Amino acid sequence: AQSVTQLDSQVPVFEEAPVELRCNYSSSVSVYLFWYVQYPNQGLQLLLKYLSGSTLVESINGFEAEFNKSQTSFHLRKPSVHISDTAEYFCAVSLMDSSYKLIFGSGTRLLVRP
Amino acid sequence: EAGVTQFPSHSVIEKGQTVTLRCDPISGHDNLYWYRRVMGKEIKFLLHFVKESKQDESGMPNNRFLAERTGGTYSTLKVQPAELEDSGVYFCASSPGAVFEYGYTFGSGTRLTVV
Repeated sequence: AQSVTQLDSQVPVFEEAPVELRCNYSSSVSVYLFWYVQYPNQGLQLLLKYLSGSTLVESINGFEAEFNKSQTSFHLRKPSVHISDTAEYFCAVSLMDSSYKLIFGSGTRLLVRP
Repeated sequence: EAGVTQFPSHSVIEKGQTVTLRCDPISGHDNLYWYRRVMGKEIKFLLHFVKESKQDESGMPNNRFLAERTGGTYSTLKVQPAELEDSGVYFCASSPGAVFEYGYTFGSGTRLTVV
């Protein structure tokens, strides 16, 4: 069975500090990888995805994630966070042979303090 | 373009009652999904519609849950009778195709509390 593990349920950080949100997955088949973000009182929004090619993918608001196949990880990083980045972040995978369903982790709440 | 709309946004019901959640997907999106998040845990897949047909309902927890999508437009998810463990946030999403190509558009969710 496939699973996604987000080890940190909550990550507090000061504004302008760097942050890393960890994600590991387990799957016997190849997967696509995603990070979604949920701001308060909103639906989940796609932040970035890895399908193939370069293992480093970037979002438009400064986040990046790197696919590491040997460690089955897809950690999310940002070199300098803003107050507006406060949200819950979800890592997810989609199996390449079942490309309509997402398997999510339990989420990491990022709290950015001034 | 209007997004995915879910209502109600919140619902508090007593154990044993019936609740119906509604989802209006983005117009033209043939694929509609229901997911649920219980007690801050992972978001879990419930089922997937393609137009009015159930493509995959492997995540439905038991026969107290009934999902419909009449005419391939909006969808309802009925819980009858509700139990305490049904409490959680129910998300609906829609997409025009496969998730890796198009992604999902999620609604804001319905927070269901069974007391």
